[in-house]
Amino acid sequence: DVKVTQSSRYLVKRTGEKVFLECVQDMDHENMFWYRQDPGLGLRLIYFSYDVKMKEKGDIPEGYSVSREKKERFSLILESASTNQTSMYLCASREKGGEQYFGPGTRLTVT
Amino acid sequence: GQNIDQPTEMTATEGAIVQINCTYQTSGFNGLFWYQQHAGEAPTFLSYNVLDGLEEKGRFSSFLSRSKGYSYLLLKELQMKDSASYLCAALSLYSGAGSYQLTFGKGTKLSVIP
Repeated sequence: DVKVTQSSRYLVKRTGEKVFLECVQDMDHENMFWYRQDPGLGLRLIYFSYDVKMKEKGDIPEGYSVSREKKERFSLILESASTNQTSMYLCASREKGGEQYFGPGTRLTVT
Repeated sequence: GQNIDQPTEMTATEGAIVQINCTYQTSGFNGLFWYQQHAGEAPTFLSYNVLDGLEEKGRFSSFLSRSKGYSYLLLKELQMKDSASYLCAALSLYSGAGSYQLTFGKGTKLSVIP
């Protein structure tokens, strides 16, 4: 049974805090992704990684960074959280051109 | 650039058939995915079309026309549990890394009424 897990389902942080969102997949996939999803805007790609230590900017990378030190783990970092980063964050993994599997999501609130 | 269009909302009656359309404009197109997403949950895979034509999977079917940049998801014998958002996503080759990128539409919120 394929699995993508995220470290938290719900998270509340204060403005200016550094926030780490962790994602782990057990399918040995090369590609991993971080999206945010907001009402009326759909899924927007923040960053993705196609191999260990490799990363590429998505559509909205500003205010975010990522880390992929191991194949199974892809971390999203908010260097200094702001209220406009309140959102649902979804991690996903995929093997090349195949089906993309999503984690359960982390609902982040920045106050 | 990449552009995916689908209707924002649709309403249909339990037991009926509904068709959700999707048009796309992407470079390096390699296939079209449909995902279902219930409120507060992550998207789950429904179908994947690479070649032109209709793919049937139980009550759900998906169609692709690559020449027209068009796809649709057909849901038959609608059930209340089919109320969800349906996301169209185009797979394209990301030339920068020799990898693939999935671009999502904003989703169609389907409401099934008794």
